[in-house]
Amino acid sequence: DAGVTQSPTHLIKTRGQQVTLRCSPKSGHDTVSWYQQALGQGPQFIFQYYEEEERQRGNFPDRFSGHQFPNYSSELNVNALLLGDSALYLCASSEGLAGADTQYFGPGTRLTVL
Amino acid sequence: LAKTTQPISMDSYEGQEVNITCSHNNIATNDYITWYQQFPSQGPRFIIQGYKTKVTNEVASLFIPADRKSSTLSLPRVSLSDTAVYYCLVGESGNTGKLIFGQGTTLQVKP
Repeated sequence: DAGVTQSPTHLIKTRGQQVTLRCSPKSGHDTVSWYQQALGQGPQFIFQYYEEEERQRGNFPDRFSGHQFPNYSSELNVNALLLGDSALYLCASSEGLAGADTQYFGPGTRLTVL
Repeated sequence: LAKTTQPISMDSYEGQEVNITCSHNNIATNDYITWYQQFPSQGPRFIIQGYKTKVTNEVASLFIPADRKSSTLSLPRVSLSDTAVYYCLVGESGNTGKLIFGQGTTLQVKP
């Protein structure tokens, strides 16, 4: 039973560029949430997708956008990258909205913006 | 969502029992308490969740006093592999998933 998978593992971009991160949820899960984790800090909630719609959003600018596909996989897009966007980006999945207090996290994508 | 306060770091030795306490003075009636564990360069992993009194699973125990203003995660006989950051979260069960993480407690287990 595959857990949450994310790609790529690492990514290096320059300021102003755009990036797309991908996530496949755990088998049987239909809800995907994205988090940003800066070095030494706890993860910060970006947004959540359920039934291909954004259901909740944290305090992140519109440069951060996402998408969920019919197979429940998800993408996180970040436009006009800033140095401060360098972080570990985590995807978490859960079984429906009601089960979202227990989330399964992927290994993350380490994004470095130069 | 209730704010939580945990010690920033703790040290222990292999074989000892470790107790990490989390304060959540403004916990709401419908809030549950959840603990996650995170190893370096990995995503957090769910450990345990409870509402009141005591919950135990194969990994840890969670003690919650009657007033629910704090909780204690207990790890029996820790090993070096338990070195990690431990996060205490408080929120309504089924709150649609906006988990609020603090800075967590960095546990260092020494040989």
